[in-house]
Amino acid sequence: NAGVTQTPKFQVLKTGQSMTLQCAQDMNHEYMSWYRQDPGMGLRLIHYSVGAGITDQGEVPNGYNVSRSTTEDFPLRLLSAAPSQTSVYFCASSYGQLGLYNEQFFGPGTRLTVL
Amino acid sequence: KQEVTQIPAALSVPEGENLVLNCSFTDSAIYNLQWFRQDPGKGLTSLLLIQSSQREQTSGRLNASLDKSSGRSTLYIAASQPGDSATYLCAVAGNQFYFGTGTSLTVIP
Repeated sequence: NAGVTQTPKFQVLKTGQSMTLQCAQDMNHEYMSWYRQDPGMGLRLIHYSVGAGITDQGEVPNGYNVSRSTTEDFPLRLLSAAPSQTSVYFCASSYGQLGLYNEQFFGPGTRLTVL
Repeated sequence: KQEVTQIPAALSVPEGENLVLNCSFTDSAIYNLQWFRQDPGKGLTSLLLIQSSQREQTSGRLNASLDKSSGRSTLYIAASQPGDSATYLCAVAGNQFYFGTGTSLTVIP
């Protein structure tokens, strides 16, 4: 198993550009989520999904969109990048729709810089 | 809103020492608590998961305890090694996952 994979590893954008961060898992996990990690603030939840076709907002959803067309993939879209979105982005997954009950597995992260 | 605190923010110990990392949370209505390790520039690796009905979990030299009523968890690392140097994060699962800001551990050879 590859576990949770994320692409790209690094990305530099200019203000106003859009892009999609990719996340995939091969563990047949229903629950998937996106976090951002900023110095001194810990990880904060952006969006999550409890299964294909179902998504919901987390703590800091503004400026981001998600969709879940398959169990395996959960892409995160930045609509119009801003310097405040410079961060490290992590995707995570866990077993079952009640993913909160179960162990989370994390991808290696995408380091995004917005100029 | 759940608040998760980890103190100290940084810790430096000599090799071989036993140590305890602390995690506290404000809302005791949690499903579980999970400890992670994060190496510089890397993702999070799960260490231990304690369900809300459990008091502790052990894996090798690691032992994690949970006192839900007081809102506290500890991660005990026995016989520390330089390879244990990393940032250790705790996360609680309530209506979502909430993370602490971590303790940066350095084990000096």
